[in-house]
This record gives sequence, structure tokens and C-alpha cells, in this order.
Amino acid sequence: QSVVTQPPSASGNPGQRVTISCSGSNSNIGSNIVNWYQQLPGAAPKLLISADDQRPSGVPDRFSGSRSGTSASLAISGLQSEDEGEYYCATWDDSLNGPVFGGGTKVTVL
Amino acid sequence: QVHLVQSGPEVRKPGASVKVSCKTSGYTFTTYGYSWVRQAPGQEPEWMGYISAYSGNKKYAQNFQGRVTMTTDASTSTAYMELRSLTSDDTAVYYCARDAQYCSTASCYFDFDSWGQGTLVTVSS
Repeated sequence: QSVVTQPPSASGNPGQRVTISCSGSNSNIGSNIVNWYQQLPGAAPKLLISADDQRPSGVPDRFSGSRSGTSASLAISGLQSEDEGEYYCATWDDSLNGPVFGGGTKVTVL
Repeated sequence: QVHLVQSGPEVRKPGASVKVSCKTSGYTFTTYGYSWVRQAPGQEPEWMGYISAYSGNKKYAQNFQGRVTMTTDASTSTAYMELRSLTSDDTAVYYCARDAQYCSTASCYFDFDSWGQGTLVTVSS
């Protein structure tokens, strides 16, 4: 079981806004940056948001991230069918001395 | 264009070892470090360790200490990960990821900004 917790699922209609939470503790999210990864079926994870709120080149501005205290969140606005997949948050854990991933959130477009 | 291309699927018996390669192109290999991440079926990714292609510095996750070795070959722009004493619990897809990892006195940063396509390692008797 991961030290960082995500809801197992989230869903929305096309065009809607979906928010995914990532909850941790002072030894991880409370003191380190959070990255978000998108994993489409059968593919490798892809970096979606780095350092809490930075979008790498090529990532649509529909995706945004934030971090406050021991929690972080990813928002997907204008939900599209191609956004269906698994989303993982990841952060550094000081106790484990390395990166840890959340359990993942499966996003479904209704 | 950044590319990380991994070696093909492997099947091993319990107790054996496996070595996975990750050949890079499209940028200067030694400017970055490389993390290895594995993902068991239906599970979240799990970080295994990191190696700097510039300094050779390594950091292995506690779960893999003593059982994993990461190396790089700058002449071929390739990173390698060897895992020994395999059990069925090691059946997973193994990924290499480019990683600009560093730690300051206050916090640590990592990114995994580009990934290989993954290598399925199956451990079965």
C-alpha cells in the first residue's frame, strides 16, 4: 500500500472538469514537489505535470496541478475521450529516501 | 527527438538474473540521470533506483538493495539494470526513465520526463 493516497476512480462527461486528489504526509508531499503522470492503456507513463504545476512542452493547458500542505491535485478541464486512462501522482518521500507513486486514479469519460 | 528504446521481453526461472538495456538518442546522454521503475500487473509504478550518467552516482530503493545493479555506457548512450535472485513477485514491466534528479538541503526533485517503452520480465518455473 502506497504512502500516498489517490481515489481509485473519477469520471465526467465530455467537456466537464475532473479533479484528482493526492494525499500524503509531512515526509513527502508536505516537503517535496509532486509530479503527475498519465498512463494510457498498454503504454508507458507520460509526464503530465512536474514540480507541482509545470506543464512540459506539448501538454495541453487543460491539465493543471497544484499543491498545498500535504495534498496535491490534478485538474482536467474540458474532458475529452482521449483523456481516459490511469493517472498517478508521485513525490519524494524523505523516510524512504526516494520517489513514491500514488495508487493511481482511473479516469472514465462517460 | 528524445528516444529511449529498451531491450525485448525476458522469461527467467526463479533464482536467475535478468539484465535490461535502455538505449537513448536525441540528446546528450551524460547530461542526465536514469531511473528504473517497475510496474507489476494492475499495480502502481515502483521506483527501483537511479544512476547519474555524468558522475556514476547511484541510489537504490531499500526494497532492492543488494539485489539490483545499475550501470551506464556513455560510448553507446545506454543504461542497464540487472536484477538478481528473481522470484515470481518480480514479474512486471520494467521501465527506464530519464531523470534530472537532485536533492538540496531542503527537498528533493525528480521528473521522469521521458520513458522507455517497457520490458516485460516474466519469472516462472
